[in-house]
Amino acid sequence: GENVEQHPSTLSVQEGDSAVIKCTYSDSASNYFPWYKQELGKGPQLIIDIRSNVGEKKDQRIAVTLNKTAKHFSLHITETQPEDSAVYFCAASKSYIPTFGRGTSLIVHP
Amino acid sequence: EAGVTQFPSHSVIEKGQTVTLRCDPISGHDNLYWYRRVMGKEIKFLLHFVKESKQDESGMPNNRFLAERTGGTYSTLKVQPAELEDSGVYFCASSQGREELFFGEGSRLTVL
Repeated sequence: GENVEQHPSTLSVQEGDSAVIKCTYSDSASNYFPWYKQELGKGPQLIIDIRSNVGEKKDQRIAVTLNKTAKHFSLHITETQPEDSAVYFCAASKSYIPTFGRGTSLIVHP
Repeated sequence: EAGVTQFPSHSVIEKGQTVTLRCDPISGHDNLYWYRRVMGKEIKFLLHFVKESKQDESGMPNNRFLAERTGGTYSTLKVQPAELEDSGVYFCASSQGREELFFGEGSRLTVL
């Protein structure tokens, strides 16, 4: 089955800095890559996604990149703010059942 | 519009006891998923319903876990008898299409 590795497990940045979270996947048939954000006490919520026919997608301060050859995708957050503090999960999917990574705890210090 | 609701939010039971978790999906969502996260690890797939039918239950750990979805509406996940390794946060999610999943806040299960 699919295996998703996510790094780092914890990321601490100063407000205004950029943050990058990286994931790799094992199944070359995966074609949908969502990112979810889980705030304290809440369930994960989709923040951005990318499909295999696209290399990059941007939505305001967040962007995702996908390298199908390397089976690697990343989440980039620019100008981080304290409200960006949360756990971020990457996922890979080929059959509409996403396989998630272990999560990255992002801490943004004011 | 109400989101996905899960009950209870936290359950503490002793090894060997039974626990039933409930999930109410967003109204009109045919797809319902159960996932589990053990502390520090990935959110792991358990099973997927389409309406009242189990579409994929390949992630269910063993026969101590039983999931049902009555009439294609709410779903229950029963663990009987519970073991220590069953501790974790159980998430329910629903979707109308086949991509974006809407998650509940999770049910934290602690088995002592």
